[in-house]
This record gives sequence, C-alpha cells and structure tokens, in this order.
Amino acid sequence: AQKVTQAQTEISVVEKEDVTLDCVYETRDTTYYLFWYKQPPSGELVFLIRRNSFDEQNEISGRYSWNFQKSTSSFNFTITASQVVDSAVYFCALILANQAGTALIFGKGTTLSVSS
Amino acid sequence: GAGVSQSPSNKVTEKGKDVELRCDPISGHTALYWYRQSLGQGLEFLIYFQGNSAPDKSGLPSDRFSAERTGGSVSTLTIQRTQQEDSAVYLCASSLELLPYNEQFFGPGTRLTVL
Repeated sequence: AQKVTQAQTEISVVEKEDVTLDCVYETRDTTYYLFWYKQPPSGELVFLIRRNSFDEQNEISGRYSWNFQKSTSSFNFTITASQVVDSAVYFCALILANQAGTALIFGKGTTLSVSS
Repeated sequence: GAGVSQSPSNKVTEKGKDVELRCDPISGHTALYWYRQSLGQGLEFLIYFQGNSAPDKSGLPSDRFSAERTGGSVSTLTIQRTQQEDSAVYLCASSLELLPYNEQFFGPGTRLTVL
C-alpha cells in the first residue's frame, strides 16, 4: 500500500526565516510521481511542483526548493526567507504511474504560519 | 471560466436529507476527480471519471454516495440520507487526461455541514 507521511503538523516561523517541510513516502512501485500542493486560507489547492521517480535532481524556483532523495524516500520542501503570504497548509502527494485512474495519495498536510 | 468551479460553496443540511454537489471542470479536461477533506482523515480520494465513465467506485465511503458526469463535463456528487460524519469539504479536480503526471487543478470546494 502507498502512504505519505508529513510528520510536522504545524510550523510557526518569523518572516525571513528559512523553513523545511518534510515529506516521507512509501511505495513498492518503482515508477511514481510526487507532488507538492499549497492550500491557502481561501481553500483552493494550488499545484507547486511535480517530480517523477527517475529524476532526483533538486529543483529551485525562486524562494522554493525541493530535495528528492529516493534512498530515504523523502521529498522535502524548503522555503527560503519566508513571507507572511507563505502561510498555508502544504500537502505532499504521491501518485503511481503504472495504473490508469489512480488518484493522488495525500499526506495529512503541514500548516505553516509565518508571522511578521 | 478559467478554473474548476464548484457549487454551492457552503451547504448546511439536516441529518437524513439528500444533497447534491456540483463540479464544473476546466473546459477540455477529460479526467475529473472527487476528494473529501475532513479534519480527522485529511484529503481522501473518492472517485474519478474518464469522460463520463467511473470505472472504480471503491473509494466512495458508502452506498449513500454516488456520482455522475454528463457530457464529459459537469459532475454531480450526491449524498443520500446524510449523516454527521459526512461533514467535510468536498473538492473536485480536473486534469487534461487521465494520466498520473498530469497536474490536477482543484476547485475551491464545497463545505458540507450536516446538523
């Protein structure tokens, strides 16, 4: 069975601090995709990044960066110089690549609060 | 519209009543998904559609839940004889195709409260 664990339920930081959100996944499949979504207070899930299981290159997009390590089954997300607008719930998700119609398997989410 | 829309945004109902939740996917998206977000369970998958077909209904929590999609577009999730444990935010998502790497675009959700 597949599972995504986000051990950090809530994180509070002060603006300009760096913060890392952890994501650990479990699957026996060798081909899969990993996602991060952001859910701001408005409620709508916003796609941030997708990674496939064969691409372990880290990725940086502005203040956001992602560290994918298959050896530890982790896909961690770092926000550099956090801002108040980063306050949201962040979800890590997994989807298998070899089954038609599989859906995203989400972690429970990490609530990030950034104060000024 | 440009994104996925859902209606109503909020629904309060009495236990035992039936409710219908509507999802308008992004135009041209053939795949549509329903998820449920509740405090205790996080985000859980309910059902997906490829076109108008829903091949796998095993994610629906009980036989009180049903869903349909017509014209390859609008989808309706129906909950019969609602129970308090049905209270949650119901999220709809669509993607261009039913492919795992396709980004799923989510709607704002319908918050259902069963009294």
